Amino acid sequence: DTEVTQTPKHLVMGMTNKKSLKCEQHMGHRAMYWYKQKAKKPPELMFVYSYEKLSINESVPSRFSPECPNSSLLNLHLHALQPEDSALYLCASSQGGTEKETQYFGPGTRLLVL
Amino acid sequence: AQKITQTQPGMFVQEKEAVTLDCTYDTSDPSYGLFWYKQPSSGEMIFLIYQGSYDQQNATEGRYSLNFQKARKSANLVISASQLGDSAMYFCAMRRNTGFQKLVFGTGTRLLVSP
Repeated sequence: DTEVTQTPKHLVMGMTNKKSLKCEQHMGHRAMYWYKQKAKKPPELMFVYSYEKLSINESVPSRFSPECPNSSLLNLHLHALQPEDSALYLCASSQGGTEKETQYFGPGTRLLVL
Repeated sequence: AQKITQTQPGMFVQEKEAVTLDCTYDTSDPSYGLFWYKQPSSGEMIFLIYQGSYDQQNATEGRYSLNFQKARKSANLVISASQLGDSAMYFCAMRRNTGFQKLVFGTGTRLLVSP
């Protein structure tokens, strides 16, 4: 089973709102990722968590705050976003520590910031 | 730095025919992995196939095969016997084989399969 789930599927928020995106995997993977994908562009990495610790932050603005409560869950807390933050947010997970490891993606959350 | 180039913005193929999607890459890392993902309009990135830089044989997964030419730094995806459900965006990606590394994606190729 290579399932990564994400909620919600769609989210509309105002620039003053606070919201959270949720990602879950039950494959025993030790690494989890957030990617941002703008329309007609490839995904771009935002954060990597390995063994529940933040290992990569690709200079993401502080209005995006990741959290990894346990090895199966990854959250992305959103606050004071801008309209240009509207995008598809993809979560992925991988086994961790293996040369041939593959990142498996969830269905994504489509975010619209008004 | 790693870079992936996909020069075909769009490709058309008839059902049941084979199609090749091009991918070239650039890296100074000695060990890396190459991936192909399919993204339907629904948005999910679906893993298709993996090729390691030290793998001697080309990877195959069902109707998908990867034509890996290391000296030319190319990793083309071949889809045999195309189906209508293959219509989607296809991304080539690479990753260093050390630690928890990000995937670097190409710009993608949109494939349209016609009846």
